[in-house]
Amino acid sequence: DAKTTQPPSMDCAEGRAANLPCNHSTISGNEYVYWYRQIHSQGPQYIIHGLKNNETNEMASLIITEDRKSSTLILPHATLRDTAVYYCIVRPDTGSSNTGKLIFGQGTTLQVKP
Amino acid sequence: NAGVTQTPKFQVLKTGQSMTLQCAQDMNHNSMYWYRQDPGMGLRLIYYSASEGTTDKGEVPNGYNVSRLNKREFSLRLESAAPSQTSVYFCASSEGQGAYYEQYFGPGTRLTVT
Repeated sequence: DAKTTQPPSMDCAEGRAANLPCNHSTISGNEYVYWYRQIHSQGPQYIIHGLKNNETNEMASLIITEDRKSSTLILPHATLRDTAVYYCIVRPDTGSSNTGKLIFGQGTTLQVKP
Repeated sequence: NAGVTQTPKFQVLKTGQSMTLQCAQDMNHNSMYWYRQDPGMGLRLIYYSASEGTTDKGEVPNGYNVSRLNKREFSLRLESAAPSQTSVYFCASSEGQGAYYEQYFGPGTRLTVT
């Protein structure tokens, strides 16, 4: 599985956009980029995922570079409730041989400040 | 629509005791998973069930057993609890096993073994 690299921590002002980077330089063609977050003591929460194209949903936008070696998660208007650990995960799609497991690294702790 | 529910929320066991952690989902998902999260660490897959009637080992299965009771329910059993099994246990489900399908997590069970 491709390895991801994220900054350990970031700050963001409330109401501003939070841009969380992720490096996955060894990603291969059939691997998806996933983002989850974990608010203190809660279960991980799915945010967004993509393969090649940029994606947007009601929570966030995912920007994947053309070479797919890095991506950025954008929370357009961060609130205090967005304070959490954000995990960037690369998942291979190998069909029936895929356990489906998610490999969580250390993630980025995002602190949204008033 | 409750999503993924887990019981109990908290449990304290003595070494050697047994217990079963319960998980249920109401999203009609085919695949279900059990993870554990140790303090300051990412999640690790214990067991998974790709579909009703099947179960397979993840990366840390020793000391655990699972049962996929029906499509909704997936239980995790500790036959003889050990202090090394002190952890937070998360159940997750997804529509399918492949990387295209996002996983949804329950709130977790916090287990302490003394």
